Amino acid sequence: NAGVMQNPRHLVRRRGQEARLRCSPMKGHSHVYWYRQLPEEGLKFMVYLQKENIIDESGMPKERFSAEFPKEGPSILRIQQVVRGDSAAYFCASSPRDSGLITDTQYFGPGTRLTVL
Amino acid sequence: GENVEQHPSTLSVQEGDSAVIKCTYSDSASNYFPWYKQELGKGPQLIIDIRSNVGEKKDQRIAVTLNKTAKHFSLHITETQPEDSAVYFCAAKGQGGKLIFGQGTELSVKP
Repeated sequence: NAGVMQNPRHLVRRRGQEARLRCSPMKGHSHVYWYRQLPEEGLKFMVYLQKENIIDESGMPKERFSAEFPKEGPSILRIQQVVRGDSAAYFCASSPRDSGLITDTQYFGPGTRLTVL
Repeated sequence: GENVEQHPSTLSVQEGDSAVIKCTYSDSASNYFPWYKQELGKGPQLIIDIRSNVGEKKDQRIAVTLNKTAKHFSLHITETQPEDSAVYFCAAKGQGGKLIFGQGTELSVKP
């Protein structure tokens, strides 16, 4: 049973370019979360998606960042016109469908390390 | 707002000793508290979690305790080994299902 997969593992972009980060959740998981980790810091929530729906985007910067989780294929985190401050590790996590009052574990992928030159 | 404080930021112990990491959370509605271990260049790996209906949970050398009244929870690692060296993060489940993470503790186990 494969874990959460992310690609690419490393991504280098020049200022002003676009970055696309992909996340394939664990088999059977329909919830995807994206987190950002700046150097020497903890993880910060960005966005929570289910298939074809954005559930919570309260952690997303208002401009240049967007996310989707289509019916088919991986979840995509897209950063337009990247700036140096976007350099960070981006992690996605997946969890299975909620089951009543039981909250579900989030399993993390290996991350994409974005470097903006 | 939702916040998790974690202490200490660094912890150095001798192999075989115990290590304790403490966290406090602000949202009294939080009911799920996972702990993750992150090695250099890798993603966070879940090592243990606890739900608000229990006060303690143990898995071999790792245990977690929860005090809901005080809004504290702690990770205890006994008989530490060099391979336990990593950054450990506590988290609390916040509004809507997102995890609110502490700042991390860099644990170093010296042989």
